[in-house]
This record gives sequence, C-alpha cells and structure tokens, in this order.
Amino acid sequence: KNQVEQSPQSLIILEGKNCTLQCNYTVSPFSNLRWYKQDTGRGPVSLTIMTFSENTKSNGRYTATLDADTKQSSLHITASQLSDSASYSCQGSYIPTFGRGTSLIVHP
Amino acid sequence: GAVVSQHPSRVICKSGTSVKIECRSLDFQATTMFWYRQFPKQSLMLMATSNEGSKATYEQGVEKDKFLINHASLTLSTLTVTSAHPEDSSFYICSADRMNTEAFFGQGTRLTVV
Repeated sequence: KNQVEQSPQSLIILEGKNCTLQCNYTVSPFSNLRWYKQDTGRGPVSLTIMTFSENTKSNGRYTATLDADTKQSSLHITASQLSDSASYSCQGSYIPTFGRGTSLIVHP
Repeated sequence: GAVVSQHPSRVICKSGTSVKIECRSLDFQATTMFWYRQFPKQSLMLMATSNEGSKATYEQGVEKDKFLINHASLTLSTLTVTSAHPEDSSFYICSADRMNTEAFFGQGTRLTVV
C-alpha cells in the first residue's frame, strides 16, 4: 500500500499570495504522481499528473514538482484566488486512496 | 477532458429503503471504477474497486452485502445502499479510471437517510 504524507494539514493565506503544499510518498508500485483539488461538496478534480521521469508540470497558476530520488512532490499556487480555497491531495498510486490532504483557505 | 457523470446528485430516503447511485463514464471506457464515501470534514474513504464483468473488491470494514456494486458495462457502475440507515448518510463519489493512468471523478451524491 502507498503511504502519502502531506503538509501542512491546513493553510490560511491572503488573496494574491503564493503558497506551496508538500507531499512525501512511498509507493509500490509507482504509477504516476497526481495532485487533486476538491471543493467542498464536489468531487476531486485533477490538477496535474506527472510520470516518473518528469520533474515539473504546470497547469495555469498551479505548478507541481517531483523529485523521484527523495520521493517528494510539491504543488505551488501562484497569485492565489478566493476560489483556490479547497482541499488538495497528492496521489502516487494506481488506486487513488486519499489521506488527510491540505486544507487551503484564501482570505480576501 | 474526460467526463464522469454521477446521478443523482442528492437523494433523501427513508430508513430501511434502498438507494441506487449511478456512475457513468461519458466519453471513455472504464474497466475499473472506484467508489468512495466522505463524511463531513474528513477525507475521501475508498469503499470498493469495481471491475467490469467481475465482482467488486471491497475495502476492509465495508459491508459488501450492504453496499452492492454492479459494473455491468465499460461505462456504467452502480452502487446500491441497501436497507439504508441514518448513519449511511454521507457524500458518495465515484471515479472512473482511463487507461490505467488517470482517474476522473463524478460530482458526488449527497445521501440523507431520514
């Protein structure tokens, strides 16, 4: 089974600021590394998907990095918006099991 | 992008009745679908993995006789909550896997058992 640890568990930032979410993983076998965003009361939405050989992937204001050697990934959000308030999860396994994730709150 | 449709989005049922939730992949074939349950302010909990044409694989602690899963085609999986009770009230979400690379999620179903 994969183990995924995310930090911080919760984060509050002001609108317009940048932030970085961290993900440490141990997966066997490794499929790809994905970041999801889940708004309250909605299903998760894929933000980025990176294969084992990729180091970085961007999707608009979201940029994910992957270090396969240290088994760490990060999700950087640039110029945060109020709509970024959500729960963010990283997944490193074929079967997307979810841990606690990071709860992000963006204040005006 | 790929779309997964989940229906209904909300349902209220009486205790003791059964409720069926449908999950459809609209523009791709999904040999594998996943069912999750999420309680307020908690993370998604994987309930079962549904494989087309075979029995679902349930996670530990999930009653297979209570949560019936049918995956009769490559685009449709259903979850039936049998003899529902108030403690089954939750947010149920399905996801469909595309080519073993990415999972797309439905909009979720808010089940309230009264």
